[in-house]
Amino acid sequence: SYELTQPPSVSVSPGQTASVTCSGDTLGVKYTSWYQQRPGQSPVLVIYEGTKRPSGIPERFSGSISGSTATLTISETQGVDEADYYCQAWDSTINWVFGGGTKLTVL
Amino acid sequence: EVHLVESGGGLVQPGGSLRLSCAASGFTFSSSPMSWVRQAPGRGLEWVSAISESGDSTYYADSVKGRFTISRENSKNTLYLQMNGLRADDTAVYYCAKERRDYDILTGWLPPYFDDWGQGTLVTVSS
Repeated sequence: SYELTQPPSVSVSPGQTASVTCSGDTLGVKYTSWYQQRPGQSPVLVIYEGTKRPSGIPERFSGSISGSTATLTISETQGVDEADYYCQAWDSTINWVFGGGTKLTVL
Repeated sequence: EVHLVESGGGLVQPGGSLRLSCAASGFTFSSSPMSWVRQAPGRGLEWVSAISESGDSTYYADSVKGRFTISRENSKNTLYLQMNGLRADDTAVYYCAKERRDYDILTGWLPPYFDDWGQGTLVTVSS
């Protein structure tokens, strides 16, 4: 089965840069999407097609791909960014798969 | 503005059935593939099922195949999930999600993603 691997937790100080990684098949991560889920809320799309940011998402959020790893980067991290972050990939054989999620803590 | 409102969740005994609904508004429902995604308490997101714009094509995760049925009624802008043979490990918040897929002139159709989510409805399977 296809899997996306994320670190369970990442910690960052306010104002610093946080990076959340997602490892999987090289082709699968090429168009990775990222979702933010604050406690008690529904997921929100923050990055799609690997590097694109939906309207309304702050420019502090960016996505990148290197080899078999997709990375979500949050610059100038704020307290409101504290949330769970999930990567997601798709192809015609696996359909949809999510990473296990990363809890971002802003200390 | 896109609105997705799930309903139909509740407490059901193991082996029982439940039908979830998702009322959609703010976009052309009949042009959008849709999915159900669930989240067990304290756990991550798990894709459950997807359906094409017309409803002609459906897809299921192995964990629910043969027990769940996804459908849609475009005239009512509503998505459904019929859940039979429910088990304790089906306990979760169930979200409906709108799919979007973009076309790149060089690459063709790009992989889809979920651009809007509902607020979720809780399904608890317990005796």
